[in-house]
Amino acid sequence: GAGVSQSPRYKVAKRGQDVALRCDPISGHVSLFWYQQALGQGPEFLTYFQNEAQLDKSGLPSDRFFAERPEGSVSTLKIQRTQQEDSAVYLCASSLEFAGTGGYGYTFGSGTRLTVV
Amino acid sequence: QQQVKQSPQSLIVQKGGISIINCAYENTAFDYFPWYQQFPGKGPALLIAIRPDVSEKKEGRFTISFNKSAKQFSLHIMDSQPGDSATYFCAASMSSGNTPLVFGKGTRLSVIA
Repeated sequence: GAGVSQSPRYKVAKRGQDVALRCDPISGHVSLFWYQQALGQGPEFLTYFQNEAQLDKSGLPSDRFFAERPEGSVSTLKIQRTQQEDSAVYLCASSLEFAGTGGYGYTFGSGTRLTVV
Repeated sequence: QQQVKQSPQSLIVQKGGISIINCAYENTAFDYFPWYQQFPGKGPALLIAIRPDVSEKKEGRFTISFNKSAKQFSLHIMDSQPGDSATYFCAASMSSGNTPLVFGKGTRLSVIA
């Protein structure tokens, strides 16, 4: 597709439920990033893939958060035993270039709004 | 520790006026400074970006001013229009390593007629 596609757009989970959020990056993009955006805040880095390798997961808030990109394209962010503090918009971005070189910046998807009740 | 500090938190500008948003950073290794625009329900979209080898970059009504010694950069929106009403984020990263963008907390701009 022409852009970064994320699904679902909205997810309501009961506290304690596991959720999986999907990201389809732009075809051929090397780098893929997950960010968490709390209401009224800027995006905060969660994790980064270069192709299928997860090079940085320092932003994942706890071991309940897990991300994968097994074939270097589609990525899934999984949150186990969701808590209310996990409620946020989860943004995925992809970039043609390696992280930091950012010649053309990141292209973000529209995000998945997760609400934990 | 917040790596990129953005101000103001919100801004109201008359149509046709100039909108100015400021950011400051601490890490002198940062060498890429983009600005993103975000509309409700959408992801951030790249607006304009600058590298520290220039002090200013202009694209249409949008200008980034960069002050390396002060570790500050700003976004100026000339002739602001109601369609510019959105949240703006500054960001920074370093190209010397695999470091992702770090974002400011955002500025909510409202342009009123």
